[in-house]
Amino acid sequence: AQTVTQSQPEMSVQEAETVTLSCTYDTSESDYYLFWYKQPPSRQMILVIRQEAYKQQNATENRFSVNFQKAAKSFSLKISDSQLGDAAMYFCAYRSLSSGNTPLVFGKGTRLSVIA
Amino acid sequence: NAGVMQNPRHLVRRRGQEARLRCSPMKGHSHVYWYRQLPEEGLKFMVYLQKENIIDESGMPKERFSAEFPKEGPSILRIQQVVRGDSAAYFCASSPDSVNSPLHFGNGTRLTVT
Repeated sequence: AQTVTQSQPEMSVQEAETVTLSCTYDTSESDYYLFWYKQPPSRQMILVIRQEAYKQQNATENRFSVNFQKAAKSFSLKISDSQLGDAAMYFCAYRSLSSGNTPLVFGKGTRLSVIA
Repeated sequence: NAGVMQNPRHLVRRRGQEARLRCSPMKGHSHVYWYRQLPEEGLKFMVYLQKENIIDESGMPKERFSAEFPKEGPSILRIQQVVRGDSAAYFCASSPDSVNSPLHFGNGTRLTVT
C-alpha cells in the first residue's frame, strides 16, 4: 500500500518570504499523480498543484512550485512571496494510475502560519 | 456547473442514533469517494463508489457504516448507532471517468456525537 509522509506538523513564514513544505511517499508503482491540497479554516479542500510522475519538469502554478524527485520519492511544495491568505493546512496526496480511477492517499498535513 | 454539494454542513447526533450524510457529485461525474478527517489529521479514505456499485470499501469500518450511490439521487454515507469516536469531518469527492481528471471535493459534513 502507498503511504504519504509529511514530516513537518507546523511551519511558519514571514509575509513575502518563501517557504518549502516537505512530502515523501512510498510506492512500487511507476505511474501516478502527486498533489498538494490547501485546507483553510473554512474546511474546503482546494487543489493547489499536481504533478504527473512521468513528467520530469516540475509543475508550477503562479507562486506555487514543486520539487519532484522521483528516485528519492520526494515531492516538496515551495510557496514564494507568501501572503496572509496562504495560511492553511497543506496536504500532500498520491494517486495511483495502475488501475483506472483510484482514491487519493493523503499525508497528515502541515499547518502553515504566515506572519505579518 | 455547481461543485460537489454535501449536506448537511453540520450534524449533531446523540450516541446510538443514525447519521445520514449526503453528497451530490458534480454534473457529469460518476465516481464518488468518501473520506473521514479526524481533528488535526489528514483525510482517510473510506469508500469509493461508481453509480450503483461499490468499487473499494477497504477504508470503511465493517460494522455500522454503509454507503450507496443510487442510479438517481445523491450518494449517502450512513452511520448506524453512532459513538463519540465517529465525530469527525466527512468529505465527499467526485471525478469523471477520465483518470487524468483531479478529484473535486465538497465542503464536508462535520458530525458531532454527543
